[in-house]
Amino acid sequence: QLQLQESGPGLVKPSETLSLTCTVSGDSISSSNYYWGWIRQPPGKGLEWLGSIYYTGSTYYNPSLKSPVTISVDTSKSQFSLKLSSVTAADTAVYYCAKTIRGSQRVFNYWGQGTLVTVSS
Amino acid sequence: QSALTQPASVSGSPGQSITISCTGTSSDVGGYDYVSWYQQHPGKAPKLMIYEVSNRPSGVSNRFSASKSGNTASLTISGLQAEDEADYYCSSYTSTTSQVFGGGTKLTVL
Repeated sequence: QLQLQESGPGLVKPSETLSLTCTVSGDSISSSNYYWGWIRQPPGKGLEWLGSIYYTGSTYYNPSLKSPVTISVDTSKSQFSLKLSSVTAADTAVYYCAKTIRGSQRVFNYWGQGTLVTVSS
Repeated sequence: QSALTQPASVSGSPGQSITISCTGTSSDVGGYDYVSWYQQHPGKAPKLMIYEVSNRPSGVSNRFSASKSGNTASLTISGLQAEDEADYYCSSYTSTTSQVFGGGTKLTVL
């Protein structure tokens, strides 16, 4: 049974870097034709795709994001990570990590439970 | 402001059918057959209900169906059940930002 678990600080100061890690269990992060991504949801608002990564390290980002995003993968640890730099209060959200359907970089059918990150001084 | 437009809320009685619309442009919904729909219960992660306009992932009830016409996609839930009460989000590939979501629709089962 595939499980994804987000981890990282729940509170980040403005202008600092938000860092989260997603640990994958019950499946290989190196599966061919599947991608791993990050999606966020501000409190009471809708969903926003941040980006996706393939196990080889190929990345796909949402070009409309105001804060620079970096997604990386560590196949030896079955983890992939998100870094969002120079954050503001607008980056306060529940952050989800997820796995895509086969062949898609942006349609997700396995999700972590989500982790709330608050940006505040 | 979301790029895809959904009604803020819809409602229906148990057993009835409801339809949720998702309107975009020729740069997203109308231009590609990559529309998906998610269901989200309060405090839970979204669940994929439909992908590539009308395909259901394994395990999703056949009471959920979807289609697209021009720049508008639609999700239909037939035989409405209490457990269907949730927020529903459409999503589409877009030539501008790669992937965009709708603002979400709150479904109330009366």
